[in-house]
Amino acid sequence: GESVGLHLPTLSVQEGDNSIINCAYSNSASDYFIWYKQESGKGPQFIIDIRSNMDKRQGQRVTVLLNKTVKHLSLQIAATQPGDSAVYFCAENLSGGSYIPTFGRGTSLIVHP
Amino acid sequence: GAVVSQHPSRVICKSGTSVKIECRSLDFQATTMFWYRQFPKQSLMLMATSNEGSKATYEQGVEKDKFLINHASLTLSTLTVTSAHPEDSSFYICSARDVGMPKETQYFGPGTRLLVL
Repeated sequence: GESVGLHLPTLSVQEGDNSIINCAYSNSASDYFIWYKQESGKGPQFIIDIRSNMDKRQGQRVTVLLNKTVKHLSLQIAATQPGDSAVYFCAENLSGGSYIPTFGRGTSLIVHP
Repeated sequence: GAVVSQHPSRVICKSGTSVKIECRSLDFQATTMFWYRQFPKQSLMLMATSNEGSKATYEQGVEKDKFLINHASLTLSTLTVTSAHPEDSSFYICSARDVGMPKETQYFGPGTRLLVL
């Protein structure tokens, strides 16, 4: 999995802007991916998932893009709101059915009113 | 929606004492639960997989005699940090897999903040 850094990358945006959070995953054998949102002092909250047989999936205000060629995931948040401020983690699941996610490094999203 | 609770939400203890953290699935049964540890500004690291009625599976580098896991029922897993030391201070998060849902579905608890003095 990804190495865990000593600090989190930070993305600062203005309220109403679109946000794009990126994640590089490590294992080409991963076939299921999840984005989680974690607010300060709380557990992770599921946002959206995608399987490796897809390259795009949309939810409410969020879109996940998967590029298997370069092992890259992105989470797009439309019309970002102050309540979106949190740390966002991507997680990969290796194929084989165990579905135990390996969490990526995380990105801190700060939304300015 | 499915709810996972943890108790306590935060605990402060003296070095050398043991601390038990509970993880409960409130409205579903969970044969499998997972325990994670998260240090400040870092990612979640899987410590162990807790299996109801059998021994837990620990990740490499996690001492099973220090982090005791008991999954005695379909709704409860406990993590006991034995002889806690300041370096065990962390945010401990559990998740639970609903037996009635696909394996990829898991629900996270709110976390337990442990501070060892």
